[in-house]
Amino acid sequence: EIVLTQSPGTLSSSPGDRATLSCRASQIVSSSYVAWYQQRPGQAPRLLMYGGSTRATGIPGRFSGSGSGTDFTLTISRLEAEDFAVYYCHHYGYSRRITFGQGTRLEIK
Amino acid sequence: QITLKESGPTLVKPTQTLTLTCTYSGFSLTTSGVGVAWIRQPPGKPLEWLALIYWDDDTQYSPSLKTRLTITKDTSKNQVVLTMTNMAPVDTATYYCAQGIYGANVNWVDPWGPGILVTVSS
Repeated sequence: EIVLTQSPGTLSSSPGDRATLSCRASQIVSSSYVAWYQQRPGQAPRLLMYGGSTRATGIPGRFSGSGSGTDFTLTISRLEAEDFAVYYCHHYGYSRRITFGQGTRLEIK
Repeated sequence: QITLKESGPTLVKPTQTLTLTCTYSGFSLTTSGVGVAWIRQPPGKPLEWLALIYWDDDTQYSPSLKTRLTITKDTSKNQVVLTMTNMAPVDTATYYCAQGIYGANVNWVDPWGPGILVTVSS
């Protein structure tokens, strides 16, 4: 079973900053099966990125994804107020099973 | 437009069986590559995947909860049902259903329903 470990647990940043969130898999996985989700308080999660680096419909260009092997990154180039939320990485591979990371809380400094 | 919505009891007693229904629209669960997943989130805690059912009737379960879960579908009603036996207070959580896309090269789970908060208490 693949385990995803996200870091940091909490990231304190200011609007306009660049934020880098990490996700490490317990074994090598294909980036095709890595996705990222955003969850704002009181809301259901929504898909940000899939296939490791493809933005979902309606997601602004300041969000980007990268990585390979066991290490994956979500980068937000210039933080806006609406970006302060919890972010989850996710693996959904050929096994047809799903794993989520434990999340990174992005908070306003 | 694809929508999903969870329904069921919001309060269950310890040892009882929880039955939740996901009613979806805007897609067919008979289309190749389509599934419906259940995911839960205890208050203040991370997301936890529970189960997934696919267009081809395949079912997958979280290894840690497999013995307690059953997922079924009724495509004539556009519904997916999750049952969880022997509920305990630690099972208190918001339960979400979501569409799963199992593609040729990429997979994802989206969109999600609004969720239903289930509290386990005597």
